[in-house]
Amino acid sequence: NAGVTQTPKFRVLKTGQSMTLLCAQDMNHEYMYWYRQDPGMGLRLIHYSVGEGTTAKGEVPDGYNVSRLKKQNFLLGLESAAPSQTSVYFCASSRTRRTTGELFFGEGSRLTVL
Amino acid sequence: KQEVTQIPAALSVPEGENLVLNCSFTDSAIYNLQWFRQDPGKGLTSLLLIQSSQREQTSGRLNASLDKSSGRSTLYIAASQPGDSATYLCAVRGSGNTDKLIFGTGTRLQVFP
Repeated sequence: NAGVTQTPKFRVLKTGQSMTLLCAQDMNHEYMYWYRQDPGMGLRLIHYSVGEGTTAKGEVPDGYNVSRLKKQNFLLGLESAAPSQTSVYFCASSRTRRTTGELFFGEGSRLTVL
Repeated sequence: KQEVTQIPAALSVPEGENLVLNCSFTDSAIYNLQWFRQDPGKGLTSLLLIQSSQREQTSGRLNASLDKSSGRSTLYIAASQPGDSATYLCAVRGSGNTDKLIFGTGTRLQVFP
């Protein structure tokens, strides 16, 4: 029962470096999301996807890009990392209709930008 | 813009107590509300999902209620145990854009023996 898997779990970057976070789900879910979680600010939506080949912006999309080339994978990219992007990143997925879908989360990826 | 508030931010209770966690939202036009549990260093685990047409959902010792008109939901935990210690978050899926969930900042619960 893998569910939602995120890699890597930890990463340290220097300012200006780039990286990609990978999210994989094995539940055949249509919807996938990337959130960031910061102390005192709760979870904020970065980008999301309602199906293979689609992406959309969330609340805090600046500095991030995403791709959903395969239904089971949702990639989050940082082209030029900044210290403000130090955070814990969570991927989530939900089943079918967006109005009823229960959200399932990965374990998180802790990113530090120096 | 939908805003979700959870009070209190932290709660410490002795084992065996019944307790209530609160979640308030500013826009009552929601599709559903979901309660999650988050253990330190872990992801979120879904506890209960309440559709807008429902007033409550129950799972074991947990009961969640929803009052859309007043913009409130409560999570009731019966006979609390040390294993219930975690952060509890609520999230609402609003009517403006049903693709998005808006999260509260959570209530950190500690149950001591």
